[in-house]
Amino acid sequence: SQTIHQWPATLVQPVGSPLSLECTVEGTSNPNLYWYRQAAGRGLQLLFYSVGIGQISSEVPQNLSASRPQDRQFILSSKKLLLSDSGFYLCAWFPDLGYNEQFFGPGTRLTVL
Amino acid sequence: GQQVMQIPQYQHVQEGEDFTTYCNSSTTLSNIQWYKQRPGGHPVFLIQLVKSGEVKKQKRLTFQFGEAKKNSSLHITATQTTDVGTYFCAGRGGSNYKLTFGKGTLLTVNP
Repeated sequence: SQTIHQWPATLVQPVGSPLSLECTVEGTSNPNLYWYRQAAGRGLQLLFYSVGIGQISSEVPQNLSASRPQDRQFILSSKKLLLSDSGFYLCAWFPDLGYNEQFFGPGTRLTVL
Repeated sequence: GQQVMQIPQYQHVQEGEDFTTYCNSSTTLSNIQWYKQRPGGHPVFLIQLVKSGEVKKQKRLTFQFGEAKKNSSLHITATQTTDVGTYFCAGRGGSNYKLTFGKGTLLTVNP
């Protein structure tokens, strides 16, 4: 069966520090991968998605970047965190276009101080 | 770009009362999905609607997709404390790769 992992679960970082969040998927190949941010425990904002290795689509210009160095690995990064980067970061995947649902990882709760 | 509006933002009910959340898209959707997020958790898929006018039921939950495929609703009959959480709709329009999520409705239930 397929499993999606995210780490760390929680993170507290100072303003101006770098960020690296990792997401990996097991039990499938060539998944479509997504990064969402949920601020203040509410709506889901799509940040990036990837349909293959090295392919990144950015939805919202901001202080973040994404990379997909391997088929089942998706990384969210920042060189210098802002206070507004605080939130709940969720990785998700679609098996392929024929499947119905997106599967979400457990999320990383980031607090920037 | 495509926008999905969801109302209400919050709903507090007494256990046993009914609950409804509504979604409206700025564009025609190919399908719409519903997710539930428990407090502190991640969104979990509930259902997908594809056909115009489609109605699906899951026990006390009833999902509807509008005739024009631009709006949808989720109705819960006789709410229970286990129904607590945020309910999101998510629509797929022109791009097969992306879902556009509504802002969600946070449901709280008083026992």
